[in-house]
Amino acid sequence: GNSVTQMEGPVTLSEEAFLTINCTYTATGYPSLFWYVQYPGEGLQLLLKATKADDKGSNKGFEATYRKETTSFHLEKGSVQVSDSAVYFCALAKAAGNKLTFGGGTRVLVKP
Amino acid sequence: ETGVTQSPTHLIKTRGQQVTLRCSSQSGHNTVSWYQQALGQGPQFIFQYYREEENGRGNFPPRFSGLQFPNYSSELNVNALELDDSALYLCASSLVGLAGVYNEQFFGPGTRLTVL
Repeated sequence: GNSVTQMEGPVTLSEEAFLTINCTYTATGYPSLFWYVQYPGEGLQLLLKATKADDKGSNKGFEATYRKETTSFHLEKGSVQVSDSAVYFCALAKAAGNKLTFGGGTRVLVKP
Repeated sequence: ETGVTQSPTHLIKTRGQQVTLRCSSQSGHNTVSWYQQALGQGPQFIFQYYREEENGRGNFPPRFSGLQFPNYSSELNVNALELDDSALYLCASSLVGLAGVYNEQFFGPGTRLTVL
């Protein structure tokens, strides 16, 4: 079956530091890949997505590239802010509105 | 445009009881999915409803059941509650077009269920 593995947190950073969260997946076929963010007390928000190999998703300074050869979709941001403190989830689906399979989440804490 | 809403926000039940959670889809959406998010874990897919029919189910027992109404709102029912059912229950809506093309899922804020 499909599965997503992401690095465990918490990840603690200082403001303006570089952030990387690793995500690898196992799936049949060619799934779409997503990063969702969950701010304290809120639901999930789609951060970015990629639907085919070598696609790069980007939003709010975050980027992730769909790497089929390494089955990875690592999330990066060059300069984090305190407001980026949240839990980040990597996920996959056969299509955007279909069943999502999530990783366990990575908590990120950015300190001033 | 109204987003996905869920009610209630919080709920406390005792073991063996039954619970109903509600979700209103985003305007124009015809598909609703439900997820269970245990504390410190990623969401797990429960099931999806499309045009009032179940359209896929995750690895959850039959005591988890659902409904979708003609206005595309939805209910999640859980019978014979167990302690492990304590979790955040998330609803997500999306639009599936005539050609079966799926689009982005939009999540509600969730209902926090505590089973004592």
